[in-house]
Amino acid sequence: KNEVEQSPQNLTAQEGEFITINCSYSVGISALHWLQQHPGGGIVSLFMLSSGKKKHGRLIATINIQEKHSSLHITASHPRDSAVYICAALSGSRLTFGEGTQLTVNP
Amino acid sequence: NAGVTQTPKFQVLKTGQSMTLQCAQDMNHNSMYWYRQDPGMGLRLIYYSASEGTTDKGEVPNGYNVSRLNKREFSLRLESAAPSQTSVYFCASNRGALNTEAFFGQGTRLTVV
Repeated sequence: KNEVEQSPQNLTAQEGEFITINCSYSVGISALHWLQQHPGGGIVSLFMLSSGKKKHGRLIATINIQEKHSSLHITASHPRDSAVYICAALSGSRLTFGEGTQLTVNP
Repeated sequence: NAGVTQTPKFQVLKTGQSMTLQCAQDMNHNSMYWYRQDPGMGLRLIYYSASEGTTDKGEVPNGYNVSRLNKREFSLRLESAAPSQTSVYFCASNRGALNTEAFFGQGTRLTVV
């Protein structure tokens, strides 16, 4: 069992839909990262959070430390949101990555 | 301000050849990392350098060596490439303190034939 698991692995949505990607981890962490990887391959950091909730534009990330679970929500999804979304758990100085969720938003 | 720059972006090697992947960051970050990304797996840490002058093994260090040349640069060397090293390689950096954002290079797609 991976230390960091994401679901779903693949997600297809219609433009405008509300999207949720889930991340569960089995280790104690000091922070959780959400990253976005576009088809060109580059990886950018979306959020880093250790408690509660963060919002940036149409993206919202939440974390429940007790349940070892985090979610990434996208409101009013758009085709340009199509990408792989990766969560990564920071434990000590070590980042452990989930396998990623491939999101496709159709117009 | 370029962030994290990796070279090359693409490379094809024959089994047994050697090569060095270069990584440089201009954010005055203390820590630098090399990861590989393979289908069906999350990014896996090959080596990291917590600060200038130090390097440590990650999850999958076999077949690789690294050099932290200075604070800006962290290179990854494959001495004798093997097909199992076909992967996409990412360099990353951060300030080094806990809970700090990581910045990634654009990746190097390496194929070993």
